[in-house]
Amino acid sequence: EAGVAQSPRYKIIEKRQSVAFWCNPISGHATLYWYQQILGQGPKLLIQFQNNGVVDDSQLPKDRFSAERLKGVDSTLKIQPAKLEDSAVYLCASSLGDGLGGANVLTFGAGSRLTVL
Amino acid sequence: AQSVTQPDIHITVSEGASLELRCNYSYGATPYLFWYVQSPGQGLQLLLKYFSGDTLVQGIKGFEAEFKRSQSSFNLRKPSVHWSDAAEYFCAVVNTGTASKLTFGTGTRLQVTL
Repeated sequence: EAGVAQSPRYKIIEKRQSVAFWCNPISGHATLYWYQQILGQGPKLLIQFQNNGVVDDSQLPKDRFSAERLKGVDSTLKIQPAKLEDSAVYLCASSLGDGLGGANVLTFGAGSRLTVL
Repeated sequence: AQSVTQPDIHITVSEGASLELRCNYSYGATPYLFWYVQSPGQGLQLLLKYFSGDTLVQGIKGFEAEFKRSQSSFNLRKPSVHWSDAAEYFCAVVNTGTASKLTFGTGTRLQVTL
């Protein structure tokens, strides 16, 4: 089974520039998550999709961050304009359903590391 | 709100020695509990999980964890550490009320000396 694919793996930009990250979840996984992992901290949920609908985006800084999941498969996370504090690893994860339990667990991609100068 | 505390930021053990990583959670009901491992430049890999039943759970790579309700803890153990176990370890909890929001601790970085 192919895992969760993310690109790019690394990105360096200047502050106030924009950046986009792409995620392809495991085939058949209805739920997709974007996490932000700042150095020295645990991952923090930014947004959760169930198919192509948003389930939870309460911690997404909506003035600069946006995300979409067209057709309920791939997803894109965009930051515009970027700030220094956005430097982090952006992790995408997917799961079969939205209720974690039993066999339904999150599988993570390798992440996209963003450095904002 | 639920929270997870990993009191040890960094632990160093010798190869072959035993390991215990601490995790405490703050949540009213019995949550779902997880341990993930993250190697440098990699995503998070699930080591083990607890949902219900036997409080001692076995995971991959020889790891186990014990859920202790009275102590609100879910400590990770391994009887004999290998050099390849050097990584960052994250404890995580799910609010069984919402059943899907995974909250992570700040992680414990494990260094293994030869």
